[in-house]
Amino acid sequence: EAQVTQNPRYLITVTGKKLTVTCSQNMNHEYMSWYRQDPGLGLRQIYYSMNVEVTDKGDVPEGYKVSRKEKRNFPLILESPSPNQTSLYFCASRPTVPFSQPQHFGDGTRLSIL
Amino acid sequence: QQQVKQSPQSLIVQKGGISIINCAYENTAFDYFPWYQQFPGKGPALLIAIRPDVSEKKEGRFTISFNKSAKQFSLHIMDSQPGDSATYFCAASSDGSSNTGKLIFGQGTTLQVKP
Repeated sequence: EAQVTQNPRYLITVTGKKLTVTCSQNMNHEYMSWYRQDPGLGLRQIYYSMNVEVTDKGDVPEGYKVSRKEKRNFPLILESPSPNQTSLYFCASRPTVPFSQPQHFGDGTRLSIL
Repeated sequence: QQQVKQSPQSLIVQKGGISIINCAYENTAFDYFPWYQQFPGKGPALLIAIRPDVSEKKEGRFTISFNKSAKQFSLHIMDSQPGDSATYFCAASSDGSSNTGKLIFGQGTTLQVKP
């Protein structure tokens, strides 16, 4: 089954404690992206990757890091989480071209930073 | 100029009624307009999409209407059903200058269809 898998699905942690949210896709997609979803703000892109070792900032990259060492994995790293990063996070993937290919989303990770 | 504005924020419709969600954009370079549907506890999934060379696209009970001159597009759900209750996001992207096909999402509309 084609899917994007995120882990963990839920996490409650404290300010400053480094955390990593993993994302893995089994569709051999080149393009992967991280979004955060906040009420009234929709989905905002944090970082994206066009292919292995190629990453770039989205609209709200502050406080986040990513890496793309393998095609299937795209982890999101919060090195020093703060309460304003409490949110619902989604990883997505699609083929690089054509751009109009649908993005496949994971089921989300709900992070609470106390 | 990169924003997509979506309204209403929430919508309650009786079963069998028509649900209408509207979006507006500024960037005339946008050339792909998808709608995503999201159920609680799940990620968004593509529902229907349109290119600006057509004014309407219909798939079953779901129709996108597109007005290029007004820079607006809308989702119509005919004969709305309780199973349609979800959050809907409009989005826009461009294949052009940015070369990334980045999706810009609207703010989302929570639809509740009452039995």
